[in-house]
Amino acid sequence: NAGVTQTPKFQVLKTGQSMTLQCAQDMNHEYMSWYRQDPGMGLRLIHYSVGAGITDQGEVPNGYNVSRSTTEDFPLRLLSAAPSQTSVYFCASSRVGETQYFGPGTRLLVL
Amino acid sequence: RKEVEQDPGPFNVPEGATVAFNCTYSNSASQSFFWYRQDCRKEPKLLMSVYSSGNEDGRFTAQLNRASQYISLLIRDSKLSDSATYLCVVNMGGGLTGGGNKLTFGTGTQLKVEL
Repeated sequence: NAGVTQTPKFQVLKTGQSMTLQCAQDMNHEYMSWYRQDPGMGLRLIHYSVGAGITDQGEVPNGYNVSRSTTEDFPLRLLSAAPSQTSVYFCASSRVGETQYFGPGTRLLVL
Repeated sequence: RKEVEQDPGPFNVPEGATVAFNCTYSNSASQSFFWYRQDCRKEPKLLMSVYSSGNEDGRFTAQLNRASQYISLLIRDSKLSDSATYLCVVNMGGGLTGGGNKLTFGTGTQLKVEL
């Protein structure tokens, strides 16, 4: 039981490049979400999903896309990276209404 | 006004001290409340949920005051290993699940326990 896994751990991108941050969980959780954490801002919700095929926007969705084709996976796509997207990204999962478990994070630097 | 506000600290305390953190939230309809702990460069982990009647887990006591919209965390007999950032987290409701899981995080309070 690996819990919530995220890849890559670190990534450097140039402005305008695209990439996908991977998130997977093996706990059969319905709810999955993506947060970004910036100094002085706390964790902010980007997108979330309550099951395969169902996603919704969070507080800061602009510049990010998500899809949920399986219960296990919830990738986050950056279509055209910008320096403002330099951050630490955390994926989390849970059963609806229960404690969220976080992955180890992806540190992204956009130059 | 931020939806969840915390004093960023740092709180520097000697080992064995008692320390208290407070947190205020803006939405009176908020449904559930938590304290998470985050170690440097690591992911947040649930420390404890906060119940209206107050609850205790070993050296940690959490309390909720719905009328004043604040949450507190008390740590007794501080250990060096308690050094971390403590995040106040509120489920304000809304969203696809009617509030089942959308969490709003405070910016965290940093605690440093010293010898």
